[in-house]
Amino acid sequence: DQQVKQNSPSLSVQEGRISILNCDYTNSMFDYFLWYKKYPAEGPTFLISISSIKDKNEDGRFTVFLNKSAKHLSLHIVPSQPGDSAVYFCAASDALGGATNKLIFGTGTLLAVQP
Amino acid sequence: DAGVTQSPTHLIKTRGQHVTLRCSPISGHKSVSWYQQVLGQGPQFIFQYYEKEERGRGNFPDRFSARQFPNYSSELNVNALLLGDSALYLCASSLPGVTYGYTFGSGTRLTVV
Repeated sequence: DQQVKQNSPSLSVQEGRISILNCDYTNSMFDYFLWYKKYPAEGPTFLISISSIKDKNEDGRFTVFLNKSAKHLSLHIVPSQPGDSAVYFCAASDALGGATNKLIFGTGTLLAVQP
Repeated sequence: DAGVTQSPTHLIKTRGQHVTLRCSPISGHKSVSWYQQVLGQGPQFIFQYYEKEERGRGNFPDRFSARQFPNYSSELNVNALLLGDSALYLCASSLPGVTYGYTFGSGTRLTVV
């Protein structure tokens, strides 16, 4: 049962253009969403997040949009740079109770930014 | 400041053997979580420990166990290894309840032959 889905395994974009990575989720109880970036042989690195009470969060070249009614979020990277080439994971926070939580990850999208 | 450190970085084991993976969290972080990432998949939650107590467990068999020590470091143990246990094992530390503060280590690459 895949609660967080990234249906595009890969995406290729020209340098300077916009990259749009998509993510869908099924559990309406998720209250926080995150995007992680992962290079080979490294752990995932936190990129940007959004609370379920917001519909947009921006940090420099990165913007995350949340559409709760559609249970969909997207990550926009503008302008895309070759150094952005990596696997991007969408994750949702699921409370374990008390002050603890776990992350449920999608399967990832490999972004290739062509110079 | 040191990030989340994991050891060893790579490991090769034979089916049926036991393995112990280690994780040291970021200083001040009291919560440690373990994730398994199989090739082509996203990380899957295995355990979370906070203040030496198990706070959550993912859908993994009893062959998987973990513990957290007084200094907040943690061990993940896997018994009776199967070929399907081959994966990247990731440790993450965080302040409790602070989802954006989830920092991952570089992982331990386990290969079971």
